[in-house]
Amino acid sequence: AQSVAQPEDQVNVAEGNPLTVKCTYSVSGNPYLFWYVQYPNRGLQFLLKYITGDNLVKGSYGFEAEFNKSQTSFHLKKPSALVSDSALYFCAVRDMNTGGFKTIFGAGTRLFVKA
Amino acid sequence: NAGVTQTPKFRVLKTGQSMTLLCAQDMNHEYMYWYRQDPGMGLRLIHYSVGEGTTAKGEVPDGYNVSRLKKQNFLLGLESAAPSQTSVYFCASSSPGHPLADTQYFGPGTRLTVL
Repeated sequence: AQSVAQPEDQVNVAEGNPLTVKCTYSVSGNPYLFWYVQYPNRGLQFLLKYITGDNLVKGSYGFEAEFNKSQTSFHLKKPSALVSDSALYFCAVRDMNTGGFKTIFGAGTRLFVKA
Repeated sequence: NAGVTQTPKFRVLKTGQSMTLLCAQDMNHEYMYWYRQDPGMGLRLIHYSVGEGTTAKGEVPDGYNVSRLKKQNFLLGLESAAPSQTSVYFCASSSPGHPLADTQYFGPGTRLTVL
C-alpha cells in the first residue's frame, strides 16, 4: 500500500536559520510527491511537487524539496526561516494504484519559527 | 475568481440530525474531493468525484453520502450525525487538463461539532 510518513510532530527553528521538515514515502512504481502548507483556519495550499526530473524541486515562498530515491525521502527545506513560515506542513503522495485520483496525506508537521 | 468555497463555515449538530455541506468551485475542474481533518491524522478522503454525475468512495466513506449534479458543485451529506463525525471538513478540486494537473485546490473548511 502507498503511504507517507512525517516522523516529527513539531519542528522548532529560529528565524534566519535553515529549516528541514522530513517526509518518507512508500510507493509501488514512480512516486508523485507533494508538499502542502496550512495556515491557521485556512485550507491547504500547494507548495511544490515532484513528478520526474531534477531531484531538487523549487516551490513557493522560497521552499524547496529534495527527492532521494534510495532513502525514499522527500524532505522540505528552506535556507532561511521566517516567522511567517510558522504553519502546519503536509507531505503527500498520489495513489497511482487507484488511477491517480486519490492523494494520501501524512499526519502533518507543525513548524514554529521563533523571532 | 473565488476558487473553492464551502458553506457553512461552522455548524453545531445534535446526534441524529442531518445536514448538507456545499462545495463550489469556479475553475471548471473535473475532479472534486471531500476530506476530513482530525488532529494527528492528516487529511482522510471521504468521497471523490471524477466528473458530473459520478462519485466514488474514499478511505472513510461510512456515514456520509455525496452528490455531483453539477460540475461546479459537490455536496456532502450526513444523514444521521454522530459525535465521531466532529471534525473539520475540506473540499478540494483539481483538473487533468490543468498545467498543475496533480495539484489540488482547497476550500477554507467547515468546522462541524456533533454533540
